[in-house]
Amino acid sequence: DVKVTQSSRYLVKRTGEKVFLECVQDMDHENMFWYRQDPGLGLRLIYFSYDVKMKEKGDIPEGYSVSREKKERFSLILESASTNQTSMYLCASSRASWGPLHFGNGTRLTVT
Amino acid sequence: DQQVKQNSPSLSVQEGRISILNCDYTNSMFDYFLWYKKYPAEGPTFLISISSIKDKNEDGRFTVFLNKSAKHLSLHIVPSQPGDSAVYFCAASSGGTSYGKLTFGQGTILTVHP
Repeated sequence: DVKVTQSSRYLVKRTGEKVFLECVQDMDHENMFWYRQDPGLGLRLIYFSYDVKMKEKGDIPEGYSVSREKKERFSLILESASTNQTSMYLCASSRASWGPLHFGNGTRLTVT
Repeated sequence: DQQVKQNSPSLSVQEGRISILNCDYTNSMFDYFLWYKKYPAEGPTFLISISSIKDKNEDGRFTVFLNKSAKHLSLHIVPSQPGDSAVYFCAASSGGTSYGKLTFGQGTILTVHP
């Protein structure tokens, strides 16, 4: 079974702080993704990566950056957290362009 | 611009009856469609998918129907069970050009009453 692990289940940060969300997958998947989930909006893609050191913007990249230095690890960075970034953040991975994404259990981030 | 829409925020069904969840899309480049189920405090889990070359795919109690001309897909759950109570998301992909990224709908909360 694919395992996607997100380092924190819950995080509380202050406005203006730099925040790192970490994600690790154990199935040697090429593609990794960061989504956020908000009520009434579903899951929206922030960034994705299809190879080490490669990254592409998703639908809502503003205020975020990412890092993929190793194949198994994909980090989401909030350079200066704001209250509108309070959300559930979900990391996912997949092997190819076809097929389902495998999700982690999510990080509930609250920015106060 | 919401390219994948689930217009029903919630659905309530009696145990043993059929649950029908609907999804519409606007992007004609989408050619692969999936349904995910999400329980609270867990990540979404893949349920069933369908390629645009098919109009039906079945897996146990779950069947997905695709109507390409109407840009509409639906998920049928028969019979519904209380354990099916969750948020259901439909998602779409444009396949080989997309690196597997999915566009999701807003989700429908399904409640199955015993």
